[in-house]
Amino acid sequence: KQEVTQIPAALSVPEGENLVLNCSFTDSAIYNLQWFRQDPGKGLTSLLLIQSSQREQTSGRLNASLDKSSGRSTLYIAASQPGDSATYLCAPGGGADGLTFGKGTHLIIQP
Amino acid sequence: NAGVTQTPKFQVLKTGQSMTLQCAQDMNHEYMSWYRQDPGMGLRLIHYSVGAGITDQGEVPNGYNVSRSTTEDFPLRLLSAAPSQTSVYFCASSGDRAGYEQYFGPGTRLTVT
Repeated sequence: KQEVTQIPAALSVPEGENLVLNCSFTDSAIYNLQWFRQDPGKGLTSLLLIQSSQREQTSGRLNASLDKSSGRSTLYIAASQPGDSATYLCAPGGGADGLTFGKGTHLIIQP
Repeated sequence: NAGVTQTPKFQVLKTGQSMTLQCAQDMNHEYMSWYRQDPGMGLRLIHYSVGAGITDQGEVPNGYNVSRSTTEDFPLRLLSAAPSQTSVYFCASSGDRAGYEQYFGPGTRLTVT
C-alpha cells in the first residue's frame, strides 16, 4: 500500500523567503504526482502535475521535482507571499486506484 | 466550464438516515472518484469509476454505494448514515485514469448526529 509522508507538517516563515516542501512515497510504480493547495474550508486546487517520465514542472514561482526511483518529490516556492499561506498536499498515483495523499504541510507566510 | 460541481455544500443527518451526495462534471472526463477527508487522516479514496456503467471500490468503501449511468454524473449514496461518516467529501474527475490531471469539486461537509 502506498504511503506518503510530507515534511515539515507545519512551517511559518516571513514573507520573501524561498521555501522547500518535501514529499516521500513508498511505491515508485506511479503514473504521475500532483501537488495541490487547500485553503481552510475549501476544496483542492491543483498546482502542478508531474508525469512519471518527467523530472520537474514549473508554474510561475512554483517548481516541483520528482525522483521516482527514490520516492521523493519537492515543491519549491520562490519569494513567498502572504497569499501563499495554505495547506500543501502531495499526491502520487494517477492509476485507476486514484491518488494517495499525504497529510500536508500547513504553511503560514508572515507579512 | 463549471468544472466539477457538488451539492449540497453542507448537510446534517441523523444516524440511520439515507442521502445522496451529487457530483457532476462538464469536461467529458471518463474517470471520476470520491474521497473523504478527515482530520489527521488525509484524503482517502471511497469509490471510483473509469466510465459510464463501470465502478469499483477504493480504500474505504464500506457504507457507501455509487453508480455511473452517465459520463457527467457520479452520485455517492449513504444508505444508513453513521457518526463515523461525518467528514468532508470531495468528488474528482480526470480525462483518463492514468496520467491525467485530476480536478476536485468544492466539497460537501457532512455531519451525522
